[in-house]
Order: sequence, then structure tokens, then C-alpha cells
Amino acid sequence: DTAVSQTPKYLVTQMGNDKSIKCEQNLGHDTMYWYKQDSKKFLKIMFSYNNKELIINETVPNRFSPKSPDKAHLNLHINSLELGDSAVYFCASSQDSGGYGYTFGSGTRLTVV
Amino acid sequence: QKEVEQDPGPLSVPEGAIVSLNCTYSNSAFQYFMWYRQYSRKGPELLMYTYSSGNKEDGRFTAQVDKSSKYISLFIRDSQPSDSATYLCAMLIQGAQKLVFGQGTRLTINP
Repeated sequence: DTAVSQTPKYLVTQMGNDKSIKCEQNLGHDTMYWYKQDSKKFLKIMFSYNNKELIINETVPNRFSPKSPDKAHLNLHINSLELGDSAVYFCASSQDSGGYGYTFGSGTRLTVV
Repeated sequence: QKEVEQDPGPLSVPEGAIVSLNCTYSNSAFQYFMWYRQYSRKGPELLMYTYSSGNKEDGRFTAQVDKSSKYISLFIRDSQPSDSATYLCAMLIQGAQKLVFGQGTRLTINP
């Protein structure tokens, strides 16, 4: 039973397209996150939501729009994809502010061509 | 300067060796310290977490935090080929809801 699941695992798309990534957690956690991992493996936070409310928006271009329909789901929609958006996107969740750690999904590998 | 610095390696050691992985940080407000392991094409998985300074041991793994030096370490004893992965340190300010990661160190244990 996967704790944090993301779909799709792989996404190859052309520049200028719009795409969405979905995330669901069954851990009962209050907070969910999107992280971006670049080619050098550096993981950087993009957004965090606590109980459907946006808490952190880390200077991400407004082409990226997160949506949380309920506290178990956090989706990421990306408009007008650019080559530089190619990366692995990870969803994660935590209880409260995450002092006991985050649980990550297995990632969505996005390639923009 | 990045908030959390970690040597990306790669680090290659023989099976059975003791491995030492380290991170330094600049923000003295960090209170929670974690180590994640990430296998190729997988998500990071939490290995250990500690709060404030001190040592914590779990099987072959020991995490150390020295807040006065702003330095954290992860030691792996009796390393196994299955320990080959990227190890990421991560830190959190209480209430901030933003885990800050080091770049990760790629470790290979050779049989």
C-alpha cells in the first residue's frame, strides 16, 4: 500500500504544452509539498500546503500552479512548458511541520523536448 | 552561499568499511536534522532524524549533530553493497514547514 503516490512516473512533452502531475497520500498527514530535483540531484522546495491552504510558494514561476482539493491530494499544473522545466518532481507529506521527517513519493520524471 | 553544504562525491569504498558522510550549515535556527537515502530512480527515504545536538544510533547507522560547529555526520558501519545510494542531509527550522536539503553524496560500496 503506497503511502505517497504520484502519477505519472514519466512525462515527455513538447515545449509550450500544459501538463499536470497528481499526488495522493494515505498517511493522514496534514501537510503536503512539491519539490524539484535538478540534474545535480539538488532537491528544492516549490510549494507546501497545510490542510488545503498554501503555506509556502518559493519564488516559483507562475506557470506552476498547485491545487489541493483536500488534505490527501496535491496536484501540480504546469503551463507553457519550457526546456528548463525538465527535472524530477517529488511530492511529499508530513505531519505538522515535519520535525519527524517527510515521506516522499517516487517522483515524476518530466522531460521537455 | 547555500544554507546547507554537502560534498557531492562520488565516494567509493570497499565492503565492510566505515563510511562517514558530512554536512555543514550556516543557519543556526535549524533544529531538526535528518538523513535521507535515495536509490537511483526512487524517492528519498528517511533514514534517521535527530533533534538538536547529540548522537543517535540505529543498527549500523549513527547520526551526529554538533550545533556549536554547525556540522552533522552520518556514519555507516560494516557497509554493504546495498548501501550504495545517494545520501542527502536535510534540516528544518521548527514551524517553518520547509525542509532544506544538501546536494547529496553519491556513495558506492564495492564488493
